[in-house]
Amino acid sequence: DTAVSQTPKYLVTQMGNDKSIKCEQNLGHDTMYWYKQDSKKFLKIMFSYNNKELIINETVPNRFSPKSPDKAHLNLHINSLELGDSAVYFCASSPRPSGNYEQYFGPGTRLTVT
Amino acid sequence: AQSVTQLDSHVSVSEGTPVLLRCNYSSSYSPSLFWYVQHPNKGLQLLLKYTSAATLVKGINGFEAEFKKSETSFHLTKPSVHMSDAAEYFCVVSETEVTGGGNKLTFGTGTQLKVEL
Repeated sequence: DTAVSQTPKYLVTQMGNDKSIKCEQNLGHDTMYWYKQDSKKFLKIMFSYNNKELIINETVPNRFSPKSPDKAHLNLHINSLELGDSAVYFCASSPRPSGNYEQYFGPGTRLTVT
Repeated sequence: AQSVTQLDSHVSVSEGTPVLLRCNYSSSYSPSLFWYVQHPNKGLQLLLKYTSAATLVKGINGFEAEFKKSETSFHLTKPSVHMSDAAEYFCVVSETEVTGGGNKLTFGTGTQLKVEL
C-alpha cells in the first residue's frame, strides 16, 4: 500500500524528446509537489498544487508543465529535454498547504538525458 | 525569505558512538523545521519535526533535535549510531507563503553520515 508512487522509476532519453513522469498519492492529501534533486543531492521545489490548483511555481523553464487531473495525481511533462534536466525528480504530498504539515515523498524518478 | 545551512557536508563516526549533525536556519516568520533522511537510491523519510511545541523533539530510530531560537539552530543528535544510519540527512525549514498559501520547503545541502565499524 504505497503512499506516494511515481512512474517510471528510471527514464533514459535523448535530448530534444518530450517525456512525462506520473505521480499518485493514496493518502487523501490535498496538496502535491514536484522537487528536483541535482547531482550534488540539492533539492529544490518546482511546483505545488492544492486541490488541482497551482499554488507554487518556482523559476522553472516553461518546458516543464505540471498537470493535476485530480487531487490524487500530479504529473510532470517536460518538452525538448536538455542535458541539464538530468536529475532525480521527487513527488511529494501533504494534508494541507500549511507550513506545519510534513511532506510525504515518493521514491523518485531518475531522469537521464543523453 | 528562508534558508538553511548544514555546517558539515560529511560526518564520519564509529558504530555505537554519538553523532551530531548541525543545522542553522533563517526565517522571516516562526518556522516549522524538519529533518529528513535519504538512504541510497531511496526517497526521503521524515525523522522528526518541530512546529512550535516542545523545543526538544524526539523522532524515529532514536534521533532527536533541539530547537534553539536564540542560536537559530536545530541540530540533530543520536546517542549511539548503527550501521543502518548511514545515509544523507537534510535539515528543512518550512514557511507558508502568504500570497499563495503554499507550503514551501527549503532544504539544506545535506550531510552525508558515514558509520564505521
